[in-house]
Amino acid sequence: NAGVTQTPKFRVLKTGQSMTLLCAQDMNHEYMYWYRQDPGMGLRLIHYSVGEGTTAKGEVPDGYNVSRLKKQNFLLGLESAAPSQTSVYFCASSGDSHQPQHFGDGTRLSIL
Amino acid sequence: GQNIDQPTEMTATEGAIVQINCTYQTSGFNGLFWYQQHAGEAPTFLSYNVLDGLEEKGRFSSFLSRSKGYSYLLLKELQMKDSASYLCAPMDSNYQLIWGAGTKLIIKP
Repeated sequence: NAGVTQTPKFRVLKTGQSMTLLCAQDMNHEYMYWYRQDPGMGLRLIHYSVGEGTTAKGEVPDGYNVSRLKKQNFLLGLESAAPSQTSVYFCASSGDSHQPQHFGDGTRLSIL
Repeated sequence: GQNIDQPTEMTATEGAIVQINCTYQTSGFNGLFWYQQHAGEAPTFLSYNVLDGLEEKGRFSSFLSRSKGYSYLLLKELQMKDSASYLCAPMDSNYQLIWGAGTKLIIKP
């Protein structure tokens, strides 16, 4: 099993560009999450999904959109990238809210 | 507001024991997770406590006191590979994890 796979692993964007980060899980998990992690801070939840076709806002949703068209995939979009969105982005999945979250390896995103 | 407090950094010696404390204030409580994160890698699950008391899992143990808003992670027989950040994450009433900034543990020979 691959677990949780994130693509791409690294990306450099210019301010104003758009891009989509892809997260795929093969554990048949219902719940999926997108976090960002910045130096000296805890993981911050951007958006999450409790099942196929559903999404909800987390702590820091502004500037991001998500879609969960298929159970195994959770996409994070940046419509107009800003330098403040430079961060490491982690996707995670879990069977339900009480089960441990399994994380992907992260996407290191730099916005110039 | 919701708040997690952990020491920023700790240093310990290989073979010794170290206790990493975490105090929290959350809107409601539905359990607390501990994760390990090596530099440049993803967090990995260590333990989950929902009731008061000690949960032991090999060299790692985790303790919870709900009335005190307090948890600790105990690492025994420290190995060099235990050098990592340890993240405390209580779950609030909306079943969202509230993540601390983590404690960077440095193991010295």
